[in-house]
Amino acid sequence: DAGVIQSPRHEVTEMGQEVTLRCKPISGHDYLFWYRQTMMRGLELLIYFNNNVPIDDSGMPEDRFSAKMPNASFSTLKIQPSEPRDSAVYFCASRQGSWGELFFGEGSRLTVL
Amino acid sequence: RKEVEQDPGPFNVPEGATVAFNCTYSNSASQSFFWYRQDCRKEPKLLMSVYSSGNEDGRFTAQLNRASQYISLLIRDSKLSDSATYLCVVNSNAGKSTFGDGTTLTVKP
Repeated sequence: DAGVIQSPRHEVTEMGQEVTLRCKPISGHDYLFWYRQTMMRGLELLIYFNNNVPIDDSGMPEDRFSAKMPNASFSTLKIQPSEPRDSAVYFCASRQGSWGELFFGEGSRLTVL
Repeated sequence: RKEVEQDPGPFNVPEGATVAFNCTYSNSASQSFFWYRQDCRKEPKLLMSVYSSGNEDGRFTAQLNRASQYISLLIRDSKLSDSATYLCVVNSNAGKSTFGDGTTLTVKP
């Protein structure tokens, strides 16, 4: 079975450019999470969705960040404009139900120059 | 205060040692608990769930203390391959999954 699929795996961009990260959750999973990981701040929850509806976006750093989930099989995380401090690994994870195990994608490594 | 606090480490231990990690959480309504393992530059993967009665999986034992709001992971007879970062995870009653900052373990020959 396919796991959580993220793209791109690596992205290098210049400050001010728009970045779009994509995620396809595991089929049948009704929760989807976006996390950001840096050495300094660990694994931070940015936003999570339940049945395509955003439940908690309090972790989104600022208005430059936005996330959507137009259907059960696709989500995007957009940064516009990007800044060097946004450089991190962004993980998408999905889960079936409220209590179970999270399954992670391989992550998108973003470098903003 | 962070929702989930974890010993930062690092822990450097010799092979064969026993090592314990602890994690505290602030939301008393939290419903489920896990330990994840993350290898360098990889995604986190489930190591084990944590049950109220405590549970064991080979050399690994996980425990939950709801009254004191902490979970623990014990690794016995450490192997070189146990070297990794260990993350505790707490699921709230709203379905939110919050990670601790992780504890880095290095097992040396």
